[in-house]
Amino acid sequence: EVQLVESGGGLVQAGRSLRLSCSASGFIFSDRVMSWIRQAPGRGPEWVGFIRTKDNGATAEYDPFVRGRFTISRDDSRSTAYLQMSSLKIEDTAVYYCAKDYGHFLGQGTQVTVSS
Amino acid sequence: DVVMTQSPLSLPVTLGQSASISCRSGQSLVYSDGNTYLNWFQQRPGQSPRRLIYKVSNRDSGVPNRFTGSGSGTDFTLTISRVEAEDVGVYYCMQGTDWPYTFGQGTTLEIK
Repeated sequence: EVQLVESGGGLVQAGRSLRLSCSASGFIFSDRVMSWIRQAPGRGPEWVGFIRTKDNGATAEYDPFVRGRFTISRDDSRSTAYLQMSSLKIEDTAVYYCAKDYGHFLGQGTQVTVSS
Repeated sequence: DVVMTQSPLSLPVTLGQSASISCRSGQSLVYSDGNTYLNWFQQRPGQSPRRLIYKVSNRDSGVPNRFTGSGSGTDFTLTISRVEAEDVGVYYCMQGTDWPYTFGQGTTLEIK
């Protein structure tokens, strides 16, 4: 059974940093693209980015509104994906979900609240 | 970015009746490999989004065959036959053809 468990969310001041983790099980982590999707209060989901497999260079793509501030990485030995967020803005407040592949399966999410 | 436009935004349905949601993209979603990366997601109240349909018409594992995806190019439809109480929630189309991938604004299905 596929399981994705996000952690690391919380309340943070604007301009600060936060790192989210996504612990995966139930599939061969190293073989899969891992994605991050977020959902602001009362709004639809929006893509943050994804990271390719190591065989494809473990390179990442980012939505323009986070590019240069957020970094996605992966540790295949731990079956864990990460989302490093810096220079956080109030508009980054959302539930952050990690996803297997391009949205095939999402975790339960972790809340990130950015305050002024 | 590819704009995804859904209609209607609100969909009241009688139990046992059918429901259809339309999704239109701002450009063709046919990728260079010939596939069309149009997905449908369901988000029940208080839950994470769940993918129901991928590449226009393929149901994910465990998705009831009451859910059917169709369409091509820029026009797509999700049809739910024999609506049940558990189908209440928000439905989103999502394009995975052109980065950044984008979702529609969502259609809220409710029981009359």
